[in-house]
Amino acid sequence: EAQVTQNPRYLITVTGKKLTVTCSQNMNHEYMSWYRQDPGLGLRQIYYSMNVEVTDKGDVPEGYKVSRKEKRNFPLILESPSPNQTSLYFCASSWRGTTEAFFGQGTRLTVV
Amino acid sequence: SQQGEEDPQALSIQEGENATMNCSYKTSINNLQWYRQNSGRGLVHLILIRSNEREKHSGRLRVTLDTSKKSSSLLITASRAADTASYFCATLMNSGGYQKVTFGIGTKLQVIP
Repeated sequence: EAQVTQNPRYLITVTGKKLTVTCSQNMNHEYMSWYRQDPGLGLRQIYYSMNVEVTDKGDVPEGYKVSRKEKRNFPLILESPSPNQTSLYFCASSWRGTTEAFFGQGTRLTVV
Repeated sequence: SQQGEEDPQALSIQEGENATMNCSYKTSINNLQWYRQNSGRGLVHLILIRSNEREKHSGRLRVTLDTSKKSSSLLITASRAADTASYFCATLMNSGGYQKVTFGIGTKLQVIP
C-alpha cells in the first residue's frame, strides 16, 4: 500500500531536548517536504527536498534541520526544541513538487 | 508570507446545497491544487489545475482558475454530510531551481444533514 509514514504520532518533550521525527515513503517519490499546521495559520512549509542530498528552506525553517540521505526517508530534526515549536507536523511526498502530494498522518508535538 | 488565502474561512450549509470556496494568491504559479483535511488528519489531494487551464472537473468537484485575478474557486455540488472537512488550496512556485509549495489557511466546511 502506497503510504507516507511518520513517527511518532504524538510526542511531549521538554525545552532543549533534541528530537527527531521520522518520515518514510514507499512510492519512490523524489520530492518530500515538512509542514507545520497551527490554528489560523494553515500549513506552512518548513523544508523540502527535491531529491537525495538536495534540500531547501521553506517559509519557516528556523529551529529545524532536515537530511535526505536516502530517497525514502526525510527526518525532521529539532536540535533544541522550544515551546513555540508546539504544533501539528506533516510530512508529504510527491513525484515532483508539481504533482499531487501524499501526506502522512501527522505528528502532534508539545514542547513544555 | 502566506500565498494562498481561502475564503470564506468557515462555511455552513445544508446537505444537498452547493459549496463554493475561493482561493487567492499573490505570485505567478505553476499549478494550484486543492486538498481536503478531516479534523486533525493528513491532507488528501482532491484536484490539480495547471496554470494554462481554466476549469477542471472531478466527480462533484469543479475547480476554476483565473490567473489574471490570481484566484481559484472550488465548487462542491450536491453536498453531503461526509463532505464536512477543511479545504485548502496549495500553490506551487517553480523557478530558479526551487519548488516551493504554499498552503492557505483553509476553509472549514460544515454540511448539516
